[in-house]
Amino acid sequence: AQSVTQPDARVTVSEGASLQLRCKYSYSGTPYLFWYVQYPRQGLQLLLKYYSGDPVVQGVNGFEAEFIKSNSSFHLRKASVHWSDSAVYFCAVGSNYQLIWGSGTKLIIKP
Amino acid sequence: EAAVTQSPRNKVAVTGGKVTLSCNQTNNHNNMYWYRQDTGHGLRLIHYSYGAGSTEKGDIPDGYKASRPSQENFSLILELATPSQTSVYFCASGTGGAYEQYFGPGTRLTVL
Repeated sequence: AQSVTQPDARVTVSEGASLQLRCKYSYSGTPYLFWYVQYPRQGLQLLLKYYSGDPVVQGVNGFEAEFIKSNSSFHLRKASVHWSDSAVYFCAVGSNYQLIWGSGTKLIIKP
Repeated sequence: EAAVTQSPRNKVAVTGGKVTLSCNQTNNHNNMYWYRQDTGHGLRLIHYSYGAGSTEKGDIPDGYKASRPSQENFSLILELATPSQTSVYFCASGTGGAYEQYFGPGTRLTVL
């Protein structure tokens, strides 16, 4: 069965430091992969997506993710985080015209 | 820009009462979705629709009904609300094939 695992419920990083949020998926075939961000008391917003081609995809606000098929991973990265990046980040995989969601990772930025 | 709106934004209901949550999208997307979000569970799909007149059960449909009277509107109905349905509800629209979904701001429902 298709599934998405985000192993870290919370990640704390210092402002200006680099970031990696982990996402592992289980899917037979070529996956469509997504990262969404949810700011406090708001809906989810699409951060970036991977359909095919270059395994490194760029998103908004300096975020990028790399699709590694051999590892079934789609980790999210950012070179230097800002306090405004504090949010919950969700990874998802497309399946049967729906999205299978991970449980989310809360990103906390230390000043 | 894509726009999904939800009403009401906050709702307090009594146990056993009927609750209707409304969603409107101006994206002209065929697909619409209702999710609930609870701490520890992430997003869970309740009902979805492929177009006007169609509704499908998602992963947790018990206690909920859905209605899609038009391309733009998708409602979630709780006929007999229970405290366990206290949650934040999100509506989303999407094209289906591309899998991208666009979310509304959410409705915070409290059932007392």
